[in-house]
Amino acid sequence: RKEVEQDPGPFNVPEGATVAFNCTYSNSASQSFFWYRQDCRKEPKLLMSVYSSGNEDGRFTAQLNRASQYISLLIRDSKLSDSATYLCVVKQAGTALIFGKGTTLSVSS
Amino acid sequence: ETGVTQSPTHLIKTRGQQVTLRCSSQSGHNTVSWYQQALGQGPQFIFQYYREEENGRGNFPPRFSGLQFPNYSSELNVNALELDDSALYLCASSLDNSEKLFFGSGTQLSVL
Repeated sequence: RKEVEQDPGPFNVPEGATVAFNCTYSNSASQSFFWYRQDCRKEPKLLMSVYSSGNEDGRFTAQLNRASQYISLLIRDSKLSDSATYLCVVKQAGTALIFGKGTTLSVSS
Repeated sequence: ETGVTQSPTHLIKTRGQQVTLRCSSQSGHNTVSWYQQALGQGPQFIFQYYREEENGRGNFPPRFSGLQFPNYSSELNVNALELDDSALYLCASSLDNSEKLFFGSGTQLSVL
């Protein structure tokens, strides 16, 4: 079983749609959680950290359920510029970041 | 811009050759991590250097080796290249093993 699993998509949505990405992780010792965004063959960029209490940054909302070992990202009012691959990332203490394969989003007009 | 620079941006090699990739970390950062990203996959951790010492390694064979210099820049060396080594190689810097990484734009390596 992979340490971080994501639905690879692609998710094809129209502008203005709401889209949700899910991610599960296998190691219950994981302590830190993130969503990164990666444009085609460019470097990953931190989108947001994920906290158990849930957190929001504009149109983006991230949730963490430690009991279910599940992480989600919700994007409201999708824009063309949101088209990218979204990487779910977890980290245990003293280890490197562990990336999922990513979920591809394509927003069309 | 993250301030992390990698060179070269693209590279073509043949099987069996050796390659050296370079990374300059963001000013003030003393930790450098290297990742390999194959097409359609997420980045996979290769190793990390902190203050010139390797302090973590992923599941990569010994022909993947590295170095960190006193100015905290870093090199990734890969010997006896194989076709499956074709990937985007990403370098990321941070301060004191912080989980907040700043990625360079990567080196695209093609092995023919």
